[in-house]
This record gives sequence, C-alpha cells and structure tokens, in this order.
Amino acid sequence: DAKTTQPPSMDCAEGRAANLPCNHSTISGNEYVYWYRQIHSQGPQYIIHGLKNNETNEMASLIITEDRKSSTLILPHATLRDTAVYYCIARVVALTFGSGTRLQVQP
Amino acid sequence: NAGVTQTPKFQVLKTGQSMTLQCAQDMNHNSMYWYRQDPGMGLRLIYYSASEGTTDKGEVPNGYNVSRLNKREFSLRLESAAPSQTSVYFCASSVGLAGGETQYFGPGTRLLVL
Repeated sequence: DAKTTQPPSMDCAEGRAANLPCNHSTISGNEYVYWYRQIHSQGPQYIIHGLKNNETNEMASLIITEDRKSSTLILPHATLRDTAVYYCIARVVALTFGSGTRLQVQP
Repeated sequence: NAGVTQTPKFQVLKTGQSMTLQCAQDMNHNSMYWYRQDPGMGLRLIYYSASEGTTDKGEVPNGYNVSRLNKREFSLRLESAAPSQTSVYFCASSVGLAGGETQYFGPGTRLLVL
C-alpha cells in the first residue's frame, strides 16, 4: 500500500469547513484513497473513499487531484462532534493506518 | 443489525496466560480482519481472512493465532501473553478483499498484560 503523509494536527472553527490534506505521491493505479476517523479510542469510523473521481456523501466530500498524488477531505460544516483523529489511507487490500491528523474543532 | 461485535471489552492478563478474543459480524461479509492499536499509534494488521476457511498473516502476526470459525466469526488467540501485547484490538469486516470494499470496525477489546 502507498505511504500517505498528513499534518499531525489542525484546528477548525465550529460551523466552518474543515479541509484535511493528504499526500500519497507513490499511489498506484489500483489503490483507493480511504478516509476514516477515530473518536477517542472508539473503533475507526468509515467516512468516504474514491479511486479517481471526486466523491461526496452525507458526511464529507473527497477531492482527488488529477494525478492522484494528493487528496483533500472536506467536512462542510464542522461541529464539535467532528473532533477526532482522521486517517488517510491508500489501499489495495488491507488498510495501513499512519498517525493521522488530529482535528480539533473550536467553539 | 449489530454490525461488528467484540468480546470481551476489557481484559487483564498475567504474562504467560492465554486468551481468545472473539469477533462476530452480522452483515454477511466474506472478509474479516484483526488489527492492534498501540497508544498514540495507527492500527496495524495482525491477520485477515479473505473468506471462510482461509487466513493470512498481516504486518504483525507473531505471538498470535486466528480461527475463522464460520462466515460470521473470526477469533484471535494469544497462546502466551507478553507485556508487548498490551494494546487495543479491533476486528473489522468487509464484503470482500478488493480495494473498493469498505471495512467496518468493531468497538475494540482493551487488553493489559502485566
């Protein structure tokens, strides 16, 4: 699986959009980009995934660059409940979790 | 649907003791996984099972054994627990192994080995 690089921490004001970047410059053509989050020590929660095209669901949007070397997860209106560690993963089979980005949503 | 369930939630063992962590899913998924998460770290894959009757090693299999009992259940066994196995253990399942198949996680088992 391709290695991903994320900033260790970010802050976001409540109600504003949170944009979480991820670099995966060594991603191969058959690797999907997945985003999970982990709140406290709960089990990781699936957010969204994509291969080439941008994706949107009820939780978030995923923007993948045309060369697929980076992506951005967008939480359109962050709330305090979105405070968590967010993991970006480039995956073929099993998920390989790095250290993630700790997002702190401020009131 | 309960999704992925794990038992027990917490366990304290002494060095050298054995135990089995249980995992079950009710989503009719073919593939199941065991991960461990050490404090402040991401998850690492221990073992996975692509389908009933098959198991394969992940990144950190040493000290563990697994059994895919049936399609629903996937257990993880520690034969002789060591302090280095103190961790939170997560089970996950997916429809299949393919990259586009989403994995869903259980709540975890917190294990302390003294």
